Amino acid sequence: DTGVSQDPRHKITKRGQNVTFRCDPISEHNRLYWYRQTLGQGPEFLTYFQNEAQLEKSRLLSDRFSAERPKGSFSTLEIQRTEQGDSAMYLCASSPSGAVRYGYTFGSGTRLTVV
Amino acid sequence: AQKVTQAQTEISVVEKEDVTLDCVYETRDTTYYLFWYKQPPSGELVFLIRRNSFDEQNEISGRYSWNFQKSTSSFNFTITASQVVDSAVYFCALSDPPSGGSYIPTFGRGTSLIVHP
Repeated sequence: DTGVSQDPRHKITKRGQNVTFRCDPISEHNRLYWYRQTLGQGPEFLTYFQNEAQLEKSRLLSDRFSAERPKGSFSTLEIQRTEQGDSAMYLCASSPSGAVRYGYTFGSGTRLTVV
Repeated sequence: AQKVTQAQTEISVVEKEDVTLDCVYETRDTTYYLFWYKQPPSGELVFLIRRNSFDEQNEISGRYSWNFQKSTSSFNFTITASQVVDSAVYFCALSDPPSGGSYIPTFGRGTSLIVHP
């Protein structure tokens, strides 16, 4: 098991462009979480999935953001019409059910820079 | 509402010193979970420990120890005989059950620990 994988590790994009990130969770984990982390801050929750169902979304997730987990395995996070304020590290985490007893496994993140 | 406060933004120590990272939390629930994570320069958050609100027993793991005190709503983390490899940002996090029943961690702003040789 290689842990949680995120791709790409770094993305530089021009303002107004769309970007998509991918997260591959640990295979037996049915829960998947997206967080955003800006410089000097802790991770902020964006959304989470149980299997393919998106169960909760933060108000940080504006209508320019969309996340999917079509087959309950990998997930994608798309940002449309990127803005400079979207520059951040986007972290993915996965966990089994009853996650709070086991902790959450995080990936290394995708660092987005909007220029 | 839940909140995690890590008042120390940055701590700088010399190798072999002991260091304590503070974490104060707020929650209205009686059932909740506390976590510590380490984020090295590579960026990946590494799980260190989880504590539930009913277990106030302190824990020691090698050079790491955690002091959970419900009376002061604190969950402090001590590194004994610090090493350069301990240099990282450390996050305290709290999970308490929202209406949906999902325990989603809320993180503090982190404490950057720099250990000098």
